[in-house]
Amino acid sequence: AQKVTQAQTEISVVEKEDVTLDCVYETRDTTYYLFWYKQPPSGELVFLIRRNSFDEQNEISGRYSWNFQKSTSSFNFTITASQVVDSAVYFCALSERASGAGSYQLTFGKGTKLSVIP
Amino acid sequence: DSGVTQTPKHLITATGQRVTLRCSPRSGDLSVYWYQQSLDQGLQFLIQYYNGEERAKGNILERFSAQQFPDLHSELNLSSLELGDSALYFCASSVGGNGETQYFGPGTRLLVL
Repeated sequence: AQKVTQAQTEISVVEKEDVTLDCVYETRDTTYYLFWYKQPPSGELVFLIRRNSFDEQNEISGRYSWNFQKSTSSFNFTITASQVVDSAVYFCALSERASGAGSYQLTFGKGTKLSVIP
Repeated sequence: DSGVTQTPKHLITATGQRVTLRCSPRSGDLSVYWYQQSLDQGLQFLIQYYNGEERAKGNILERFSAQQFPDLHSELNLSSLELGDSALYFCASSVGGNGETQYFGPGTRLLVL
């Protein structure tokens, strides 16, 4: 079973529409961290947000917002009033303590490719 | 700009060859991670170093090895290259290894012909 599931492989929206990218995770740990990264066509991975498992407060940053719900093991990402520059692959990731290891390991979902059409 | 640098940006080589990818972490970061991104496998964790010591291993092949030097830069060595090793290799760094944010370099695109 995948630890991080991004069920939407590709999404297309028209500019100015709102779009939500889904992320469902699986872990037995009580302490863990969730992330979203953006990979634009240029290829680099850009950090967007980090959330720890004890903080379920939703967060808003400009046109971006995140909804973390432990009850459903979901960490969804919404872009409001999408723009062409938002076109990218978005990755959700889970950081949990690896068994037998002294550190946390980051596991990525397969990504959602978002295309914003002008 | 994440502050993590990787060289080279692109690398083209032949099967059976050996290459070395280099990474310099952000100032103050002690942990360095290596990831491989391919179309079929997605983003896969390879290995982590913390302050010069290997900390964790992921899906790293025996043909691959890495090290972190006293100045904290890291190198990933890929040997006996196969066509399937063609991928984007990312280095990331974080302050420690306890779930802090990992900041990624621009990647090295490797093409094995």
